[in-house]
Amino acid sequence: AQSVAQPEDQVNVAEGNPLTVKCTYSVSGNPYLFWYVQYPNRGLQFLLKYITGDNLVKGSYGFEAEFNKSQTSFHLKKPSALVSDSALYFCAVREGANNLFFGTGTRLTVIP
Amino acid sequence: GAGVSQSPSNKVTEKGKDVELRCDPISGHTALYWYRQRLGQGLEFLIYFQGNSAPDKSGLPSDRFSAERTGESVSTLTIQRTQQEDSAVYLCASSYGITRTDTQYFGPGTRLTVL
Repeated sequence: AQSVAQPEDQVNVAEGNPLTVKCTYSVSGNPYLFWYVQYPNRGLQFLLKYITGDNLVKGSYGFEAEFNKSQTSFHLKKPSALVSDSALYFCAVREGANNLFFGTGTRLTVIP
Repeated sequence: GAGVSQSPSNKVTEKGKDVELRCDPISGHTALYWYRQRLGQGLEFLIYFQGNSAPDKSGLPSDRFSAERTGESVSTLTIQRTQQEDSAVYLCASSYGITRTDTQYFGPGTRLTVL
Protein backbone atom coordinates (compact mmCIF):
# COMPACT_ATOMS: atom_id res chain seq x y z
CA ALA A 1 0.00 0.00 0.00
CA GLN A 2 1.14 3.51 -0.69
CA SER A 3 0.70 6.57 1.48
CA VAL A 4 1.87 10.10 1.91
CA ALA A 5 2.24 12.13 5.09
CA GLN A 6 2.45 15.86 5.44
CA PRO A 7 3.27 16.30 9.12
CA GLU A 8 2.53 20.01 9.29
CA ASP A 9 -0.99 21.36 8.79
CA GLN A 10 0.30 24.93 8.80
CA VAL A 11 3.62 26.56 7.99
CA ASN A 12 4.29 30.25 8.53
CA VAL A 13 7.32 31.98 7.09
CA ALA A 14 8.38 35.60 6.71
CA GLU A 15 8.59 37.04 3.23
CA GLY A 16 12.10 36.69 1.83
CA ASN A 17 12.99 33.76 4.07
CA PRO A 18 13.50 30.24 2.78
CA LEU A 19 10.53 27.91 3.06
CA THR A 20 10.19 24.16 3.44
CA VAL A 21 7.02 22.10 3.25
CA LYS A 22 7.58 18.55 4.40
CA CYS A 23 6.42 15.30 2.84
CA THR A 24 7.23 11.68 3.58
CA TYR A 25 6.03 8.70 1.65
CA SER A 26 5.60 4.97 1.91
CA VAL A 27 5.62 2.68 -1.12
CA SER A 28 6.75 -0.85 -1.79
CA GLY A 29 8.32 -0.13 -5.17
CA ASN A 30 9.76 2.88 -6.93
CA PRO A 31 8.02 6.09 -5.94
CA TYR A 32 6.74 8.68 -8.35
CA LEU A 33 6.25 11.87 -6.36
CA PHE A 34 4.36 15.03 -7.16
CA TRP A 35 3.72 18.44 -5.62
CA TYR A 36 0.59 20.46 -6.35
CA VAL A 37 -0.52 23.89 -5.11
CA GLN A 38 -4.10 25.00 -4.56
CA TYR A 39 -5.04 28.66 -4.42
CA PRO A 40 -8.39 29.70 -2.89
CA ASN A 41 -11.40 28.60 -4.94
CA ARG A 42 -9.20 27.11 -7.61
CA GLY A 43 -8.17 23.64 -8.66
CA LEU A 44 -4.79 22.07 -8.10
CA GLN A 45 -1.87 23.33 -10.11
CA PHE A 46 1.05 21.06 -10.87
CA LEU A 47 4.38 22.28 -9.47
CA LEU A 48 6.90 19.50 -10.04
CA LYS A 49 7.49 15.77 -10.03
CA TYR A 50 10.20 13.25 -9.29
CA ILE A 51 10.42 10.25 -11.57
CA THR A 52 14.06 9.19 -11.60
CA GLY A 53 17.53 10.67 -11.88
CA ASP A 54 18.69 13.80 -10.11
CA ASN A 55 17.40 13.98 -6.56
CA LEU A 56 16.85 17.74 -6.79
CA VAL A 57 13.86 18.56 -8.94
CA LYS A 58 13.13 22.09 -10.10
CA GLY A 59 9.60 23.20 -10.82
CA SER A 60 7.34 26.14 -11.42
CA TYR A 61 7.48 29.52 -9.64
CA GLY A 62 10.99 28.94 -8.27
CA PHE A 63 10.05 25.87 -6.24
CA GLU A 64 12.23 22.80 -5.97
CA ALA A 65 12.03 19.53 -4.12
CA GLU A 66 14.62 17.10 -2.88
CA PHE A 67 14.07 13.37 -3.09
CA ASN A 68 15.73 11.49 -0.25
CA LYS A 69 15.37 7.75 -0.56
CA SER A 70 16.93 6.86 2.79
CA GLN A 71 14.58 9.19 4.64
CA THR A 72 11.64 8.49 2.29
CA SER A 73 11.07 12.21 1.99
CA PHE A 74 10.27 14.67 -0.76
CA HIS A 75 10.31 18.10 0.86
CA LEU A 76 9.28 21.16 -1.13
CA LYS A 77 11.57 24.17 -0.89
CA LYS A 78 11.99 27.71 -2.10
CA PRO A 79 14.98 29.95 -1.31
CA SER A 80 12.98 33.16 -0.85
CA ALA A 81 9.27 33.13 -0.05
CA LEU A 82 6.79 35.54 -1.59
CA VAL A 83 3.46 36.61 -0.12
CA SER A 84 1.85 35.26 -3.30
CA ASP A 85 3.15 31.77 -2.40
CA SER A 86 0.53 31.60 0.37
CA ALA A 87 -1.66 28.65 -0.56
CA LEU A 88 -2.43 25.01 0.22
CA TYR A 89 0.25 22.55 -0.87
CA PHE A 90 -0.31 18.86 -1.55
CA CYS A 91 2.22 16.10 -1.91
CA ALA A 92 1.15 13.00 -3.84
CA VAL A 93 2.62 9.62 -4.71
CA ARG A 94 1.88 7.15 -7.43
CA GLU A 95 3.16 3.58 -7.42
CA GLY A 96 1.41 0.79 -9.20
CA ALA A 97 -2.04 2.29 -9.54
CA ASN A 98 -2.84 5.02 -11.97
CA ASN A 99 -4.47 7.34 -9.48
CA LEU A 100 -2.56 9.61 -7.14
CA PHE A 101 -2.52 9.23 -3.37
CA PHE A 102 -2.52 12.64 -1.74
CA GLY A 103 -1.39 13.93 1.61
CA THR A 104 -3.77 15.99 3.71
CA GLY A 105 -2.18 19.25 2.65
CA THR A 106 -0.10 21.97 4.28
CA ARG A 107 -1.30 25.53 4.43
CA LEU A 108 1.58 27.92 3.79
CA THR A 109 1.27 31.49 4.97
CA VAL A 110 3.95 33.97 3.98
CA ILE A 111 3.95 36.96 6.29
CA PRO A 112 4.83 40.34 4.79
CA GLY B 1 -4.25 25.57 -24.79
CA ALA B 2 -7.41 25.20 -22.76
CA GLY B 3 -7.19 23.40 -19.47
CA VAL B 4 -9.61 21.04 -17.79
CA SER B 5 -13.01 22.64 -17.31
CA GLN B 6 -15.79 21.65 -14.94
CA SER B 7 -19.39 22.68 -14.55
CA PRO B 8 -21.17 23.89 -12.60
CA SER B 9 -18.65 25.66 -10.40
CA ASN B 10 -21.10 25.54 -7.49
CA LYS B 11 -24.11 23.33 -6.86
CA VAL B 12 -26.50 23.52 -3.95
CA THR B 13 -29.04 20.75 -3.66
CA GLU B 14 -31.45 19.27 -1.19
CA LYS B 15 -30.88 15.96 0.50
CA GLY B 16 -32.27 13.13 -1.57
CA LYS B 17 -31.95 14.85 -4.95
CA ASP B 18 -29.74 13.60 -7.78
CA VAL B 19 -26.91 15.75 -9.17
CA GLU B 20 -24.74 15.60 -12.27
CA LEU B 21 -21.27 17.10 -12.48
CA ARG B 22 -19.50 17.60 -15.77
CA CYS B 23 -15.85 17.50 -16.77
CA ASP B 24 -14.22 18.48 -20.06
CA PRO B 25 -10.66 17.17 -20.19
CA ILE B 26 -7.75 18.67 -22.06
CA SER B 27 -8.02 17.81 -25.74
CA GLY B 28 -5.92 14.76 -26.60
CA HIS B 29 -5.77 13.45 -23.04
CA THR B 30 -6.78 9.82 -22.94
CA ALA B 31 -7.06 9.43 -19.17
CA LEU B 32 -9.62 11.13 -16.93
CA TYR B 33 -9.90 10.99 -13.15
CA TRP B 34 -12.44 12.11 -10.56
CA TYR B 35 -11.43 12.99 -7.01
CA ARG B 36 -13.34 14.27 -3.99
CA GLN B 37 -11.96 16.85 -1.56
CA ARG B 38 -13.78 17.22 1.71
CA LEU B 39 -13.27 20.35 3.75
CA GLY B 40 -9.83 20.36 5.36
CA GLN B 41 -8.84 17.04 3.86
CA GLY B 42 -6.77 15.72 1.03
CA LEU B 43 -8.10 14.33 -2.19
CA GLU B 44 -9.81 10.96 -2.38
CA PHE B 45 -9.71 9.05 -5.65
CA LEU B 46 -13.14 8.12 -6.98
CA ILE B 47 -12.92 6.74 -10.51
CA TYR B 48 -10.61 6.64 -13.51
CA PHE B 49 -11.20 6.25 -17.26
CA GLN B 50 -8.65 5.30 -19.88
CA GLY B 51 -9.71 5.23 -23.52
CA ASN B 52 -12.23 2.49 -24.17
CA SER B 53 -11.09 0.32 -21.28
CA ALA B 54 -13.39 -0.49 -18.40
CA PRO B 55 -13.16 2.26 -15.79
CA ASP B 56 -11.46 1.73 -12.45
CA LYS B 57 -14.30 2.29 -10.01
CA SER B 58 -12.42 1.19 -6.93
CA GLY B 59 -12.70 4.55 -5.19
CA LEU B 60 -16.44 5.09 -5.48
CA PRO B 61 -17.79 5.29 -1.91
CA SER B 62 -21.22 3.78 -2.57
CA ASP B 63 -23.52 2.63 -5.33
CA ARG B 64 -25.13 6.07 -5.31
CA PHE B 65 -22.06 7.29 -7.20
CA SER B 66 -21.56 6.56 -10.88
CA ALA B 67 -19.70 8.11 -13.78
CA GLU B 68 -19.68 7.90 -17.54
CA ARG B 69 -17.33 9.06 -20.22
CA THR B 70 -18.02 9.44 -23.92
CA GLY B 71 -14.99 8.19 -25.80
CA GLU B 72 -12.05 10.35 -24.83
CA SER B 73 -14.05 13.47 -24.13
CA VAL B 74 -16.62 14.65 -21.64
CA SER B 75 -17.30 12.82 -18.40
CA THR B 76 -20.28 13.08 -16.07
CA LEU B 77 -20.23 12.14 -12.40
CA THR B 78 -23.69 11.38 -11.03
CA ILE B 79 -24.62 11.23 -7.37
CA GLN B 80 -28.05 9.80 -6.66
CA ARG B 81 -30.10 10.47 -3.54
CA THR B 82 -27.54 12.93 -2.22
CA GLN B 83 -26.65 12.94 1.47
CA GLN B 84 -25.12 15.70 3.54
CA GLU B 85 -21.84 13.80 3.76
CA ASP B 86 -21.56 14.13 -0.03
CA SER B 87 -20.86 17.84 0.41
CA ALA B 88 -17.36 18.41 -0.94
CA VAL B 89 -15.42 19.79 -3.87
CA TYR B 90 -15.34 17.35 -6.76
CA LEU B 91 -12.21 17.64 -8.86
CA CYS B 92 -11.60 16.25 -12.29
CA ALA B 93 -8.15 15.67 -13.78
CA SER B 94 -6.84 14.45 -17.10
CA SER B 95 -3.51 13.18 -18.36
CA TYR B 96 -2.06 12.43 -21.76
CA GLY B 97 -1.39 8.79 -20.99
CA ILE B 98 -1.57 6.29 -18.22
CA THR B 99 2.05 5.71 -17.41
CA ARG B 100 3.11 6.43 -13.87
CA THR B 101 5.13 9.39 -15.01
CA ASP B 102 2.24 11.18 -16.70
CA THR B 103 1.18 14.38 -14.97
CA GLN B 104 -2.45 14.84 -14.06
CA TYR B 105 -3.85 18.31 -14.70
CA PHE B 106 -6.79 19.40 -12.60
CA GLY B 107 -9.88 21.44 -13.27
CA PRO B 108 -11.19 24.13 -10.91
CA GLY B 109 -13.66 21.77 -9.27
CA THR B 110 -17.36 21.76 -8.50
CA ARG B 111 -18.33 22.69 -4.97
CA LEU B 112 -21.33 20.60 -3.97
CA THR B 113 -23.40 21.56 -0.95
CA VAL B 114 -26.17 19.23 0.18
CA LEU B 115 -28.65 20.87 2.53
